[in-house]
Amino acid sequence: GDSVTQMEGPVTLSEEAFLTINCTYTATGYPSLFWYVQYPGEGLQLLLKATKADDKGSNKGFEATYRKETTSFHLEKGSVQVSDSAVYFCALMSGGSNYKLTFGKGTLLTVNP
Amino acid sequence: KAGVTQTPRYLIKTRGQQVTLSCSPISGHRSVSWYQQTPGQGLQFLFEYFSETQRNKGNFPGRFSGRQFSNSRSEMNVSTLELGDSALYLCASSSHHQETQYFGPGTRLLVL
Repeated sequence: GDSVTQMEGPVTLSEEAFLTINCTYTATGYPSLFWYVQYPGEGLQLLLKATKADDKGSNKGFEATYRKETTSFHLEKGSVQVSDSAVYFCALMSGGSNYKLTFGKGTLLTVNP
Repeated sequence: KAGVTQTPRYLIKTRGQQVTLSCSPISGHRSVSWYQQTPGQGLQFLFEYFSETQRNKGNFPGRFSGRQFSNSRSEMNVSTLELGDSALYLCASSSHHQETQYFGPGTRLLVL
């Protein structure tokens, strides 16, 4: 079945540091890939997505590239801010009549001033 | 455009009771999905509805059920509550299958 593996953290960085959160997946067919972010006490917000191989999703300085050859979708940001502190989830949606997201376990990011 | 709304936001129940949670999707979205989030199991898919039909169901016992109305609003029901049902229940909507899912703020259920 489908699965997503992401580094569980927690990850603690200083402001303006470089961020990478690794995500790899197993899926049938050609899934769409997503990063969601969850701030304390809130639901999930879509951060970025990519729907086919070599696509790069980007938003708010975050980027991730769909790598089919390595089945990966690593999240990166060049300079993190305190306001980026949150839990980040990598997720996939397989093709066909699946209609569901499969999530990784989440990575807690804390950015210190 | 208003986002996904869920009511109530917080709920406290006791074991053996039942509970109904409500979700209103983004206007124009016809697909509604439900997820359970717990510290131990993470985010798990419950079920998905489109045009009042359940198209997919996750691996949850029959105590968990749902439905969707003609206006796309959805409800999920949990009967005979157990302590392990304590969780954040998230609803998400999308315009049609395979499109991006947008999440509501969730309903936090505590079972005592």
